[in-house]
Amino acid sequence: DAGVIQSPRHEVTEMGQEVTLRCKPISGHDYLFWYRQTMMRGLELLIYFNNNVPIDDSGMPEDRFSAKMPNASFSTLKIQPSEPRDSAVYFCASRRTGSTLEAFFGQGTRLTVV
Amino acid sequence: DAKTTQPTSMDCAEGRAANLPCNHSTISGNEYVYWYRQIHSQGPQYIIHGLKNNETNEMASLIITEDRKSSTLILPHATLRDTAVYYCIVISNAGNMLTFGGGTRLMVKP
Repeated sequence: DAGVIQSPRHEVTEMGQEVTLRCKPISGHDYLFWYRQTMMRGLELLIYFNNNVPIDDSGMPEDRFSAKMPNASFSTLKIQPSEPRDSAVYFCASRRTGSTLEAFFGQGTRLTVV
Repeated sequence: DAKTTQPTSMDCAEGRAANLPCNHSTISGNEYVYWYRQIHSQGPQYIIHGLKNNETNEMASLIITEDRKSSTLILPHATLRDTAVYYCIVISNAGNMLTFGGGTRLMVKP
């Protein structure tokens, strides 16, 4: 398996534009997580899905952020409109229901909003 | 989930053992200790986890004190590629969300 795949790896956009980040989890994994990492706040969990259903979105900073998982192999995190303070590295992770909480992370998307 | 306390940073000489401590004095009986690490510009990577017994795998060893209030991650022969931020996380297996604190920045020096 190629692991968790995120795209794009880097995104530079202007303030006010819509940004869509994409994630393909590992096949067979039924949990998917979106994290954001900044120097100031570290790694923060934004939202997670189980069997494509959003379970906890309490970490989503505001209504400008939305996430979807239309099927087991694809998820998106959308920011509309984007702001400079959204600049961060966004990670997607997935794991399988089981006896451990071993999650597999993608390489991340580095978002810069200018 | 129990709160953890880790040193902000540590140094280790290449080839020597790196011992990374973690305090989790409020851990409850059904909570596990998980360790992840994050190498620069990469996503976090699972290392090891344990409940009360010591654990070892190909990456590291985990030593949990008898009262379970602290643990130590041991990298037996640290290499330059082990330079990373190491996160100690306490969570029950019924939980779903990994919450990352500040971690320990380990610098392995030649």
